[in-house]
Amino acid sequence: EAGVTQFPSHSVIEKGQTVTLRCDPISGHDNLYWYRRVMGKEIKFLLHFVKESKQDESGMPNNRFLAERTGGTYSTLKVQPAELEDSGVYFCASSQVGGRSPLHFGNGTRLTVT
Amino acid sequence: AQSVTQLDSQVPVFEEAPVELRCNYSSSVSVYLFWYVQYPNQGLQLLLKYLSGSTLVESINGFEAEFNKSQTSFHLRKPSVHISDTAEYFCAVTNTGANNLFFGTGTRLTVIP
Repeated sequence: EAGVTQFPSHSVIEKGQTVTLRCDPISGHDNLYWYRRVMGKEIKFLLHFVKESKQDESGMPNNRFLAERTGGTYSTLKVQPAELEDSGVYFCASSQVGGRSPLHFGNGTRLTVT
Repeated sequence: AQSVTQLDSQVPVFEEAPVELRCNYSSSVSVYLFWYVQYPNQGLQLLLKYLSGSTLVESINGFEAEFNKSQTSFHLRKPSVHISDTAEYFCAVTNTGANNLFFGTGTRLTVIP
């Protein structure tokens, strides 16, 4: 089966610009998660979709971040306007069932805001 | 609130030597515990997990971890490492009734020939 794919793999933007990250989960996986790792720190939860609904968005840092999952398939994470502290690696993961079901991660998008 | 502590950010070890990567967690409820591995230029992959039952869990490539409830630990061990084990290892925890994982800061294992 195809794994979780993320696009782009790298993005370099200037402060104040907008960037949209995309995640295609494994087909049939209702659960989709976004995580972020700032350099040298832990991987932090951002939000969780079940199909097209946001189950938990408690980890979203502020209202400059907007995640969508229209139709319950792929998801996008938009950062507008980007700030320097948004730099990091953004991971997407999917699973069939929440909780004990292991997460399947994409390779991540490395975002650099200059 | 839950948290995971991986005290060792980097662990260099010679090939064929044993290694232990430490993980401690804090939680007031029952948990599931995981170790994920990230090889260079790849995403995270599940290495092993503890859900219930035997406290000693093993991976297919020789790693094992033991859930110790009294010490709130889930250390990862391998008796003899290979060059191919060079990667970053992440410990993670979730409540049995929750969905999101809490990760540690990662331990970069470097195997020296």
